[in-house]
Amino acid sequence: NAGVTQTPKFQVLKTGQSMTLQCAQDMNHNSMYWYRQDPGMGLRLIYYSASEGTTDKGEVPNGYNVSRLNKREFSLRLESAAPSQTSVYFCASKTTTGGSNEQFFGPGTRLTVL
Amino acid sequence: GQQVMQIPQYQHVQEGEDFTTYCNSSTTLSNIQWYKQRPGGHPVFLIQLVKSGEVKKQKRLTFQFGEAKKNSSLHITATQTTDVGTYFCAGSTTTDSWGKLQFGAGTQVVVTP
Repeated sequence: NAGVTQTPKFQVLKTGQSMTLQCAQDMNHNSMYWYRQDPGMGLRLIYYSASEGTTDKGEVPNGYNVSRLNKREFSLRLESAAPSQTSVYFCASKTTTGGSNEQFFGPGTRLTVL
Repeated sequence: GQQVMQIPQYQHVQEGEDFTTYCNSSTTLSNIQWYKQRPGGHPVFLIQLVKSGEVKKQKRLTFQFGEAKKNSSLHITATQTTDVGTYFCAGSTTTDSWGKLQFGAGTQVVVTP
C-alpha cells in the first residue's frame, strides 16, 4: 500500500495563479484532511472531509476550496494564489472505525507563491 | 476557541541526556495524540492518550495525560541522535469519529553527539 500520496511535491506560483493540490489514500479511510504548516505554527487545519460527500471548514479556510472527489481522493484548490499561502501543505486521512484516531500523513507539497 | 500550547519551542540536548516537552490546552480534551516529524519529512503518529492520568511508555519515551485532561508531557530518556525532529502534541475536544485535531506549535529537538 502506498498510504497517502500527494502531488506535486514542489510548486512555484506567481501571485494570482491558480492550482490544485491532489491527495489520494489507498487505506479505505473515511475521513480526510488538509493542513498547512508554517514555521513556528504547527499544523493548521484548512478543510476536512468527515466522510465521502461532505466537506467542512477548518481553522484557516480563506482562499481555499476543496473537493472530495470520491472516497480515495481529496483535492485542495487555490483560486488566486497569494504570497501568504506560501507554505507546506499536508494531506492526511484516518479511519472512523476501530477506535483509533491516528491520522496518516502524506509527504507534503512545498508551495512558494512569488 | 481551543488552543494548544507547547513548550519549549526548541530543545538542544546532549546525547545521553533526558528531556521533557509539555503540552497545555485551554480546554478539556477528549484525547491527545503525539506525532514526530523528522527534518524534511511528514508527521508520524506516536501515541494516543485517552484516560485521565494515563501513562504510556514506548521504549525510551514516556507519555503522560494530566488528571484534568488539559495537559500532557513527553519525556525522553538517554536521548539518541535518532530522536532528532519536531514533536507535536495534538488535542481533540470531541469524540466524533472524524476526530478534528488542534496541533501545538511543536518542540524542535536537536541532539548534540
